[in-house]
Amino acid sequence: EAGVTQFPSHSVIEKGQTVTLRCDPISGHDNLYWYRRVMGKEIKFLLHFVKESKQDESGMPNNRFLAERTGGTYSTLKVQPAELEDSGVYFCASSQVFRSSGNTIYFGEGSWLTVV
Amino acid sequence: KQEVTQIPAALSVPEGENLVLNCSFTDSAIYNLQWFRQDPGKGLTSLLLIQSSQREQTSGRLNASLDKSSGRSTLYIAASQPGDSATYLCAVISGATNKLIFGTGTLLAVQP
Repeated sequence: EAGVTQFPSHSVIEKGQTVTLRCDPISGHDNLYWYRRVMGKEIKFLLHFVKESKQDESGMPNNRFLAERTGGTYSTLKVQPAELEDSGVYFCASSQVFRSSGNTIYFGEGSWLTVV
Repeated sequence: KQEVTQIPAALSVPEGENLVLNCSFTDSAIYNLQWFRQDPGKGLTSLLLIQSSQREQTSGRLNASLDKSSGRSTLYIAASQPGDSATYLCAVISGATNKLIFGTGTLLAVQP
């Protein structure tokens, strides 16, 4: 069974450009999460989808970030325009069941974004 | 506001030693606590998940304990090996949300 896959694995873009990160969750997982780790800081929650609906987007830093999950399958996270402080690792995660026993969350390997 | 702290930030031990990593959280109203491992340049791998009603979980050489009332968890690694070298992250899901709140991690180096 394939795990959570993210694309691209690494991206270097100039300030002001646009980047779109993609996440394919584990098949059958309704819950999809985006997290971010910037240099020297802890991993922080960005948002949570249940199927195609945004359950919680309280962690999105500002309106330069747009997440979508059309059809409830893969998700994209667009940063437009990118700023230097957006550099970091963007993790996607998925889980099968919401708030239940065995609610293990599976993470992808991350998309490493560098804004120069 | 839930805050998660991990001590120490970094740890270096010789191969074969038993070691303990510590995690503390400020709000005891958690749903569960997970320990993750992150290898350099890689994603997070879930090691152990402890429900709020449980006291500990074991997997191989790993044992995680949870004391919800005091806001503490420990990850015990027995007979450490160089392959255990990684960053270990503790994260909680609070009772109010389904978000993982992470600590900053402990960077472990096991010297051969």
